[in-house]
Amino acid sequence: GDSVTQMEGPVTLSEEAFLTINCTYTATGYPSLFWYVQYPGEGLQLLLKATKADDKGSNKGFEATYRKETTSFHLEKGSVQVSDSAVYFCALSDPGNTGKLIFGQGTTLQVKP
Amino acid sequence: DGGITQSPKYLFRKEGQNVTLSCEQNLNHDAMYWYRQDPGQGLRLIYYSQIVNDFQKGDIAEGYSVSREKKESFPLTVTSAQKNPTAFYLCASSIPTSGGALVYNEQFFGPGTRLTVL
Repeated sequence: GDSVTQMEGPVTLSEEAFLTINCTYTATGYPSLFWYVQYPGEGLQLLLKATKADDKGSNKGFEATYRKETTSFHLEKGSVQVSDSAVYFCALSDPGNTGKLIFGQGTTLQVKP
Repeated sequence: DGGITQSPKYLFRKEGQNVTLSCEQNLNHDAMYWYRQDPGQGLRLIYYSQIVNDFQKGDIAEGYSVSREKKESFPLTVTSAQKNPTAFYLCASSIPTSGGALVYNEQFFGPGTRLTVL
């Protein structure tokens, strides 16, 4: 079945370091791909999305490119801040168009000043 | 402001009791979802509903029940049959893109309810 695999955390970085969180997926069809962010004790917020191959989603300095050939959607940011500390989830949409999302297990990012 | 509200934020239940978690949205979204989140794990789908008066089981529906009598409301009942109900519960909604085939994109999430069984 369809699935999402994220790199294991926690990821600990110093402020202004470069961030990469790997995400690979297995899916039939052509799903849309998403990155969500969850701050402590809160719900999830959409960070960025890409709906077709080679699309690049970007928001708040974060970027991810939909790579069909490598089935990947890695999240990157050039210079992280302490305020970026959160849990990041990669997800794909159910190609059966039920609207369901399939989530990875989440990666915790901690940024130290 | 449009959004999704969940209540209560914290809920405590004694073993053997049923509890109902509220989820309301004023985004005029057709589809609504319930997820369960456990520490260090991703989200697992409990139930979802694409239209009023209709809903489907997700991956972990056992011990849960839902109703969808109104477009804006999708309450979740955690029954005594759920063996390990302590978790963080998240409600979400989405709307298909317009034009052509039905395609759902992102979901919008509520702030969550943390349920603890005493």
